[in-house]
Amino acid sequence: SSELTQDPAVSVALGQTVRITCQGESFRSYYASWYQQKPGQAPVLVIHGKNSRPSGIPDRFSGSRSGNTASLTITGAQAEDEADYYCKSRDSSGNHYVFGIGTKVTVL
Amino acid sequence: QVQLQQSGPGLVKPSRTLSLTCAISGDSVSSNSVTWNWIRQSPSRGLEWLGRTYYRSKWYNDYAPSVESRITINPDTFKNQFSLQLTSVTLDDTAVYYCARISVAADDSFDIWGQGTLVTVSS
Repeated sequence: SSELTQDPAVSVALGQTVRITCQGESFRSYYASWYQQKPGQAPVLVIHGKNSRPSGIPDRFSGSRSGNTASLTITGAQAEDEADYYCKSRDSSGNHYVFGIGTKVTVL
Repeated sequence: QVQLQQSGPGLVKPSRTLSLTCAISGDSVSSNSVTWNWIRQSPSRGLEWLGRTYYRSKWYNDYAPSVESRITINPDTFKNQFSLQLTSVTLDDTAVYYCARISVAADDSFDIWGQGTLVTVSS
């Protein structure tokens, strides 16, 4: 079983806000990074560190952390945001990486 | 910009060795500010980090406990690439395999990914 817990699926109306959460004790020490994956494609980094976006990622994507929970928020979801989203952190040893099971975001 | 190009067979027989290569352009396998990783994805396991190689005055490797006894990741400084070898494969090793970079500048995140290689273990 994964050390990171994500809800399997969430839906959001077009233009509305959705928050995707990821729970894990590692977040008390490390920031999450978040990845967007569309069918047949490799994952793409959307959020890293405290709340940083790589070049080309829209500013409607933001990240936060509180206690053992990391969150990815999409403010004003667009149709192209429909995808699977994965969180990533380190395992309990701190030497390896682990991913959440992914949250499928559906934009209605 | 940095790109990773994967190559290797898509079909491996059970008990044989899976071998993949990741060619790097726009960066150096010997860079002191990155690590080079292999990750796989399957419906049963989700995204699974397998291991990494990196250079910090000398070469280091770290491997996931789930594959530690079967995996080797090697850098090739002449060809500016790195490779994955996974021995004694079973049907459970069928997955899409990705190479990916972690950059210090990206807060310990996988900021560049290869295109993925579907590897099927079948006789």
